[in-house]
Amino acid sequence: NAGVTQTPKFQVLKTGQSMTLQCAQDMNHNSMYWYRQDPGMGLRLIYYSASEGTTDKGEVPNGYNVSRLNKREFSLRLESAAPSQTSVYFCASSEATAHYSNQPQHFGDGTRLSIL
Amino acid sequence: GEDVEQSLFLSVREGDSSVINCTYTDSSSTYLYWYKQEPGAGLQLLTYIFSNMDMKQDQRLTVLLNKKDKHLSLRIADTQTGDSAIYFCAVPSSNTGKLIFGQGTTLQVKP
Repeated sequence: NAGVTQTPKFQVLKTGQSMTLQCAQDMNHNSMYWYRQDPGMGLRLIYYSASEGTTDKGEVPNGYNVSRLNKREFSLRLESAAPSQTSVYFCASSEATAHYSNQPQHFGDGTRLSIL
Repeated sequence: GEDVEQSLFLSVREGDSSVINCTYTDSSSTYLYWYKQEPGAGLQLLTYIFSNMDMKQDQRLTVLLNKKDKHLSLRIADTQTGDSAIYFCAVPSSNTGKLIFGQGTTLQVKP
């Protein structure tokens, strides 16, 4: 069972470069999420998508864009990478169908991104 | 704003019980979660409790919820070296329904 798959697993960028992080889930979940994890700060929500064709900002959206390509895929783009965006990025999905529906989230293994 | 707090580190001896604590400022009346993160991996759903329960037991895991004090705890009985990981509590926001994660507690289990 693949669950949530993220690519790539590791990436090093130079400041100003652009990059798209890919995420796909095979659980037929409606909602998908992008988080960043930084030491001592837990997970912070960047963007989420409650259904195909909709996206909304989370806690820390600045410097990022997202695309919900179809029900399976949700990508995160850094248009002009900055050192402050060095982090571990996690994609998650859940059965939640509305912004206020609380269902467990299933996580990918993460993308470790370093920006020099 | 809403906040979820955990202590950052806990060290126990193999065979002892571990208790990981979490406090939160507010929560919607639904599920509260515990996740486990092993090195180099994503977060794995460990267990959860519904907000109308005080306690839930699942094999070696016991979750306690004190809604009055806004306190959630995870007890691991007979802690093993394989339990070494980072443990996150996650509480749904009463405003948005989105999960708010604590900073994570690193559990170190010494042989």
